[in-house]
Amino acid sequence: AQSVSQHNHHVILSEAASLELGCNYSYGGTVNLFWYVQYPGQHLQLLLKYFSGDPLVKGIKGFEAEFIKSKFSFNLRKPSVQWSDTAEYFCAVNTPGGYNKLIFGAGTRLAVHP
Amino acid sequence: ETGVTQSPTHLIKTRGQQVTLRCSSQSGHNTVSWYQQALGQGPQFIFQYYREEENGRGNFPPRFSGLQFPNYSSELNVNALELDDSALYLCASSLANEQFFGPGTRLTVL
Repeated sequence: AQSVSQHNHHVILSEAASLELGCNYSYGGTVNLFWYVQYPGQHLQLLLKYFSGDPLVKGIKGFEAEFIKSKFSFNLRKPSVQWSDTAEYFCAVNTPGGYNKLIFGAGTRLAVHP
Repeated sequence: ETGVTQSPTHLIKTRGQQVTLRCSSQSGHNTVSWYQQALGQGPQFIFQYYREEENGRGNFPPRFSGLQFPNYSSELNVNALELDDSALYLCASSLANEQFFGPGTRLTVL
């Protein structure tokens, strides 16, 4: 069965620090990959997605992620975080074709201190 | 905002009761998925509806059931509520591979 692992459950950073959140998935075939963000009191929002093509994808708010197929990884990065990036971040995967079921990781709670 | 709305926002029920949660999908989206997000966890897929038919189901018991209507809105019904059903229930609508989530319904079972 497919699964998604997020290595860090809680991350605390100071503003302007760089961010990298790890995500690994277990599935041998073609996958679509997503990062969602959930700001306090708000709904899940899509940060970025990878379907095919350039493995380095850029999303909203300065976030980017790199798909490394050989490592089954899709890590999220941001060079300089802001206090407003405080949120919970979820990595998710689904498989093309079939029905559109998302498998989520457990999430990483990021706190950015001014 | 995604255009996906859910009602109610919050709900408190007792064990053994039944609950119905509602979702209005984004305009033009014919697929609705439901997820359960327990505290401190990622969303877990419950089931998906496509053109009024259940299109796929996660590892949830039959007391979790749903409906999709001709306008693509959807309901999630949970019978015989258990304490562990306390969670945030998310609805997501989609047209292709990208899902758009609603704000969720927070269900508390006492």
